[in-house]
Amino acid sequence: DSGVTQTPKHLITATGQRVTLRCSPRSGDLSVYWYQQSLDQGLQFLIQYYNGEERAKGNILERFSAQQFPDLHSELNLSSLELGDSALYFCASSVGGTGANEQFFGPGTRLTVL
Amino acid sequence: AQSVTQLGSHVSVSEGALVLLRCNYSSSVPPYLFWYVQYPNQGLQLLLKYTSAATLVKGINGFEAEFKKSETSFHLTKPSAHMSDAAEYFCAVTGSYNTDKLIFGTGTRLQVFP
Repeated sequence: DSGVTQTPKHLITATGQRVTLRCSPRSGDLSVYWYQQSLDQGLQFLIQYYNGEERAKGNILERFSAQQFPDLHSELNLSSLELGDSALYFCASSVGGTGANEQFFGPGTRLTVL
Repeated sequence: AQSVTQLGSHVSVSEGALVLLRCNYSSSVPPYLFWYVQYPNQGLQLLLKYTSAATLVKGINGFEAEFKKSETSFHLTKPSAHMSDAAEYFCAVTGSYNTDKLIFGTGTRLQVFP
């Protein structure tokens, strides 16, 4: 158990819908990262927050947004969903501040868009 | 820009045989390098990391990796494979000045035969 929790585990929805994925980091970790894992794109970095502030953006679509709340949990919002958004979405956390720090991964949310 | 290349999307070994999973990196700055393992239907777990201390890094479950700057490589090895080692292995790099996002390779699926 990494200490990072993600809910829900599975999500099945239809095209055009909007969903919210939730992540609670390990106790004491200030950085939260979101990654997408799909068969065609592999593991891709989406976005990072550090202590409530956006720190880095990767290949995140404009239809996707995220935030980190004062209690440090984070939510990833996916809207106008398309079939191609079906993937495993991972949240990771670390103490942050440097690339040397280990990132601890949650179990993921599997999103299926029908 | 940093990147990693994993040679071989599938590797098969017999139980008790040497495991060698290859990873080459590309980085304009001294990199931090990681190996993660993903078991079926689970999140990613850190096996080991290189952060510019010792070039030979020992990790969990008997795995180790050697950082070779001259070859820009960070190959993962284990002297004797066990059935429980069957999983997908990802090499990753960070090291950018502005962010500690992980950039992953495409992964290598390890199969272990009895």
